[in-house]
Parts: sequence; structure tokens; C-alpha cells
Amino acid sequence: AAGVIQSPRHLIKEKRETATLKCYPIPRHDTVYWYQQGPGQDPQFLISFYEKMQSDKGSIPDRFSAQQFSDYHSELNMSSLELGDSALYFCASSFVFSDRRDFGPGTRLTVT
Amino acid sequence: DAKTTQPPSMDCAEGRAANLPCNHSTISGNEYVYWYRQIHSQGPQYIIHGLKNNETNEMASLIITEDRKSSTLILPHATLRDTAVYYCIVPDSGSARQLTFGSGTQLTVLP
Repeated sequence: AAGVIQSPRHLIKEKRETATLKCYPIPRHDTVYWYQQGPGQDPQFLISFYEKMQSDKGSIPDRFSAQQFSDYHSELNMSSLELGDSALYFCASSFVFSDRRDFGPGTRLTVT
Repeated sequence: DAKTTQPPSMDCAEGRAANLPCNHSTISGNEYVYWYRQIHSQGPQYIIHGLKNNETNEMASLIITEDRKSSTLILPHATLRDTAVYYCIVPDSGSARQLTFGSGTQLTVLP
């Protein structure tokens, strides 16, 4: 069965650069969620989208923005990168606000 | 999300049943209990969920006490690949649920 696809899987950026992470949800899933997981920490919710509209916002820095497109894929844009942004970024998808969510393999972002 | 409490770590011998407890004493009547796990650096994986009846699927069984204040996830025959952090989550009943991952249980399956 098709799973959530995230690209790239690994990304290395320097401080103050920008990064764009992409997420392709499972077909027919209409809700996308983004999570950040720092080293040794639990996943933290950043933001979610339902039918291309932002539906909920967690601890997402103002330097980050995200959107969901007409084909339901989502992009997380990160600007003015800081060392502390180094983390695993997971995308998840589900049918409308279902708590049964499918997570992608994650993007490992390293900021140097 | 309603607060849950889990032991920080547990060990289990390979081939034996792993029983992972979770306390959720503030759970409301219409709130479900969800279990996810995260194998090292992989994306979290849904395991099972339930409301008040016991549930079983191909991965695990979920036993919820009658007062719904606690539950136990059972992996009937643990393998080395079941070594992971297991999260017990009670999502908010609101329309936009963040599905908060708190401190789970690090299960180590020993050979």
C-alpha cells in the first residue's frame, strides 16, 4: 500500500539559509500534519491542514510557514535557519481529523 | 490531549508477551485511547485504538479497564523488531486534534 512520502530524506543547510520540505500524503487523505522531533525528544506538533486550509497550529516558529496544495501535498518552508532547527521533521496524513494517522519516514535536517 | 502516564522503560524477553501499562485517569466518556510506537528515528506507527471494549488486531491487543482510567497494550510474542518507544495518547475531543506525543515507554526486547 502507498505510504506517506517525504522529500528530501536528508538535508544539510547552513545558518540563515532557507529550506523547503515536501510531503505527499496517502491518496485520498485530506489532512496533513507536520511534526518536529529534536534529538532525544518526542515529536512535537507544528501545524496541520485540512482541504488546503490551516486547521491547527502548534509550536511552529514564525520563521516557518506551510501550505497544502490542490493535489493535497504539503510543503514546510523554513527561513533564517538556526542550529536549533536541526531535527527530524515528520509529515503525517489522515482522513479528516482522524486520530489514526500515517506518518512518513521523515526528513533529517542538519543546520551547520 | 488528556494526560497519560506511562513507565519510562520496560524490558521483555523475546518470544514472551510484552504488557505496557498506561494511566489516563482524566479521560472523558467519549475519548478514545490510541497507541503509537516509534522505532528509532523512524516515523511513528499507529498500533491500535479503543473506547471501552477490548480490541485486537494483527499487531497487538488493547485492554481497557471498566472505569476507563487505565489500559494495557499487549504484544503477544515480542520480537527484537518490537524494540521501540510506545506512546499512549488520548486525543482531545475537539475538531482539530494535535495528537500530542508525551513521554512514552521505551520497550527493549532482549534476546
